[in-house]
Amino acid sequence: DTEVTQTPKHLVMGMTNKKSLKCEQHMGHRAMYWYKQKAKKPPELMFVYSYEKLSINESVPSRFSPECPNSSLLNLHLHALQPEDSALYLCASSQEGQGYTIYFGEGSWLTVV
Amino acid sequence: AQSVTQLDSHVSVSEGTPVLLRCNYSSSYSPSLFWYVQHPNKGLQLLLKYTSAATLVKGINGFEAEFKKSETSFHLTKPSAHMSDAAEYFCVVINTSGTYKYIFGTGTRLKVLA
Repeated sequence: DTEVTQTPKHLVMGMTNKKSLKCEQHMGHRAMYWYKQKAKKPPELMFVYSYEKLSINESVPSRFSPECPNSSLLNLHLHALQPEDSALYLCASSQEGQGYTIYFGEGSWLTVV
Repeated sequence: AQSVTQLDSHVSVSEGTPVLLRCNYSSSYSPSLFWYVQHPNKGLQLLLKYTSAATLVKGINGFEAEFKKSETSFHLTKPSAHMSDAAEYFCVVINTSGTYKYIFGTGTRLKVLA
């Protein structure tokens, strides 16, 4: 089973709202990722968690707040977003170490109004 | 530092004809290379992966890719295109200086004509 599950699939939020994106994997992977993808562009790395600890933050604005409650779950908390934050947010996971395949979820489409 | 270049932003083929999507990489070390496909409004799906075993890698849906070290290339091919192959394709290399930086090419949009 190589599945990464993301919810919700679509989210519309106002600039003053607080919402969360959720991600779950049951492949026993210890590295989990958030990517942001704008239309017609490749995914851009936002955050990486390794063994439930934040390993990489690609200088992401603080209005995005990641959380890894356990080895299977990854959340992205959203607050005071801007319209330019509208994008596809992809969660992914991989085994820990070099050269491993990264597996992506279907993504959450976020629209900020 | 590693990098990957997808040589064509758009490729159009007729249904039933061969597909060639080109990818060149730059790496100081033996790289791990991947091809992913993204259908409209979907996430990324792994097509195939090279990790220094066989240089010809077979993937899903009839795709394959050949690792050519002398040419620093990892081109994706399929003998006969199907309408369902229309999608965005990404070539990806892992940055071996860290375990988490998967470096994406800019993507190639494949159009399949009936």
